[in-house]
Amino acid sequence: EAQVTQNPRYLITVTGKKLTVTCSQNMNHEYMSWYRQDPGLGLRQIYYSMNVEVTDKGDVPEGYKVSRKEKRNFPLILESPSPNQTSLYFCASSTLGADQPQHFGDGTRLSIL
Amino acid sequence: GESVGLHLPTLSVQEGDNSIINCAYSNSASDYFIWYKQESGKGPQFIIDIRSNMDKRQGQRVTVLLNKTVKHLSLQIAATQPGDSAVYFCAENPDNDYKLSFGAGTTVTVRA
Repeated sequence: EAQVTQNPRYLITVTGKKLTVTCSQNMNHEYMSWYRQDPGLGLRQIYYSMNVEVTDKGDVPEGYKVSRKEKRNFPLILESPSPNQTSLYFCASSTLGADQPQHFGDGTRLSIL
Repeated sequence: GESVGLHLPTLSVQEGDNSIINCAYSNSASDYFIWYKQESGKGPQFIIDIRSNMDKRQGQRVTVLLNKTVKHLSLQIAATQPGDSAVYFCAENPDNDYKLSFGAGTTVTVRA
């Protein structure tokens, strides 16, 4: 089954404690992306990757890092989480880019206390 | 600020009626537009997309209309069903760009 898998699905943690949200896709997609969803704001793009070792900032990259060492994985790293990063996060992938339908994971709800 | 927005945050529709969800965009360089449906507790799901060289595209029970003159996008759902209750997002992709910008979303509630 074609899917995008995120882990964990839920996490409550404290300010300053480094965390990583993993994302994996099994469709051999080149393009992967991270979004955060906040009430009334829709989804905002954090980072995206066009291929292995190629990443770039989205609209809200501050406080986040990503890496793309393998085609299937695109982890989101919060080096020093702060309460304003409390949000619902989605990973997505598509064959080639943002001008194609993206497959989304089921989301990761992060609470930073 | 956001380059893509929806006219109404909520829409209540009688089961069996047609639904129209509107979206305004501001980036004239955008040449790809897409609609997603998000059900509670799930990630967005692709509904339909359209490129700027078209003004209409139809899928199963859904139609997307693009008016580039006034930078307006709409999603029409025919014979709305209870399973259509969800949040609907429009999104745009500017030409030669790898970013996707979403609107704030419209919550559609289908009344029995």
